[in-house]
Formats: sequence, structure tokens, C-alpha cells
Amino acid sequence: GENVEQHPSTLSVQEGDSAVIKCTYSDSASNYFPWYKQELGKRPQLIIDIRSNVGEKKDQRIAVTLNKTAKHFSLHITETQPEDSAVYFCAAKNDRNSGNTPLVFGKGTRLSVIA
Amino acid sequence: GAVVSQHPSRVICKSGTSVKIECRSLDFQATTMFWYRQFPKQSLMLMATSNEGSKATYEQGVEKDKFLINHASLTLSTLTVTSAHPEDSSFYICSASTGVGYEQYFGPGTRLTVT
Repeated sequence: GENVEQHPSTLSVQEGDSAVIKCTYSDSASNYFPWYKQELGKRPQLIIDIRSNVGEKKDQRIAVTLNKTAKHFSLHITETQPEDSAVYFCAAKNDRNSGNTPLVFGKGTRLSVIA
Repeated sequence: GAVVSQHPSRVICKSGTSVKIECRSLDFQATTMFWYRQFPKQSLMLMATSNEGSKATYEQGVEKDKFLINHASLTLSTLTVTSAHPEDSSFYICSASTGVGYEQYFGPGTRLTVT
């Protein structure tokens, strides 16, 4: 089955700097790669996702890149703000045939943005 | 759209008792629901996948007789933790899929504490 590795486990950046979180996946058939932000005691919140037919996607300060050959994808947050502090999870799934396969999550990255 | 609710949000029960957690898709039909468990400072670990009208598929290491999952309708799935023990204390999160497309929609989670 799919295995997702995520690094780093913790990340501290100064406000205004960029943050990069990296994930690798094992199943070459995976085709959907979302990123979630989770605040303490809350549900994971989808912040951006990318599908395997795209190499990069950007939404304001957030971008995701995908390298299918190397089987890794990364989250980039620019101009970080204190409210970006949270735990971020990457995930992967293979949904070629149906929506019935579950997301497999990385272990998470605790991002702290220091004002 | 795509709202998923969970009830209760928090529950405290005594060791040896059973507790039921409900997961509802409020504005869409969920052909598939997923149950995850999240221990403090850890990632979301998939417990089981359930399709409406079928028996749930449990992940390796998850006891199906202890964690009873019922998905009797397209808008409701329940997780019953039977004979709960303190080590079952965790954050339980359900997620629903329409069966079409990639995204999974997460419920707000249920904090279970077993005393």
C-alpha cells in the first residue's frame, strides 16, 4: 500500500520568510496529493491540492510542486504570517477508478512562525 | 456545500462501556466514509473504509469487533467503540467521499476520553 514520508517534523521561520515542507510517496499509481492545515482540536482543512497531470499549482501565498518521476511533492508558503502557525499534513491517494480509496497521510509538520 | 458533521464533539465514558459516534454528510450523499484516529501530536491513521450497505474494510491492526462501523445510509455512518479502555482515548475523525472526484470531506472530530 501507499506510504507517505514527510519532512521536517518541526519548522520554525521568522515572519515574512518562506517555509517549505517536503513529502515523498511510494505508490507510483497515486494521482492526487492534497495538503491540509490542522489547528489544535480541529478538523484538517484542505489548503491546496494537486493532481498528477500537473507539475505546479499556486494559490496566493501557497504553492505545491509535484515531481512524479522522483515521487515527491512539496508545499511552499511565502511571506509567512503568525496565523500560518499550525500542523501541516501532506497526503496521497490513487483515485483512478473511484473515489473510494482513502487518503494516506504523512506524519505532519509543526510550523511555527515567529513574529 | 460538502459539509460533514460528527456527534458528539466530546465524550467521556468509563472503562468497559461502549460509545457511539455519528458521522453525517449534510448536503451530499456519501458513498464512502472513512474513519481515522489521531493520537496527540500524531498523524491521522486510517481505521476503516465503509461503503453504504456493505461491511467495512478494516486496516491491519484495527479490531473489527471492538470498533463497529455501520454505514446504513448514504448520509450516516456510525463508529461504536465497544468495551472502551483508556488506551482508546483519542480524536476520532470521519471523512466522506461522494465517489466521484478526489476530495474527502472531513468531520470536526470527536474527542473520546475513557476514564
